[in-house]
Amino acid sequence: QITLKETGPTLVKPTQTLTLTCTFSGFSLSSTGVGVGWIRQPPGKALEWLALIYWDEDIRLSPSLQNRLTITKDTSRNQVVLTMTNMDPVDTATYFCSHRDDILAANFDFWGQGILVTVSS
Amino acid sequence: DIQMTQSPSTLSASVGDRVTITCRASQSISNWLAWYQQKPGKAPNLLIYKASSLESGVPSRFSGSGSGTEFTLTISSLQPDDFATYYCQHYDSYPYTFGQGTKLEIK
Repeated sequence: QITLKETGPTLVKPTQTLTLTCTFSGFSLSSTGVGVGWIRQPPGKALEWLALIYWDEDIRLSPSLQNRLTITKDTSRNQVVLTMTNMDPVDTATYFCSHRDDILAANFDFWGQGILVTVSS
Repeated sequence: DIQMTQSPSTLSASVGDRVTITCRASQSISNWLAWYQQKPGKAPNLLIYKASSLESGVPSRFSGSGSGTEFTLTISSLQPDDFATYYCQHYDSYPYTFGQGTKLEIK
């Protein structure tokens, strides 16, 4: 059974750096084709894809945010960490992490519950 | 970036109705399209992948079709649990963009 859970601060100040951790179980990020992605959703708005990291360290970032994003993985701890610098109130959103498997080609088939991050002074 | 445009933005329907939601891509994405259902306060739930493949555990009243730039999600007979917001997302190339969503409301 695949599960994912996002943890991190729920309130950050403008200009601060946000660090979110996705802890997962039920799969290995060292298995061929497997990836973990981050998606966010501002309150009342649509989903926005942010980043993906794959089993082979391939990393893909949203072009509009790539200067502010870093994504890393710790395979032994079953964790993926997303860092976003220079936070702004417009970054207030629920942040989700999600599993994908290139071999199955099902895209984001399992999701964490999400964590609401508010950016405010 | 490939833009995904869903229509309509809001859809009012009744239990038992057949409904169709459309998603258009700004350029061809072959069949690299997924559909998600999202309920308030919850994570999205994958319904359809590769445009027409039904995710395991999803009721058969949901179906997807299309290729290239035009895609549809059809619910053959609406059930009370189906009232939610639906999103399409392409995964043909990066960035993987989502549509703006279609809110399915009870008439």
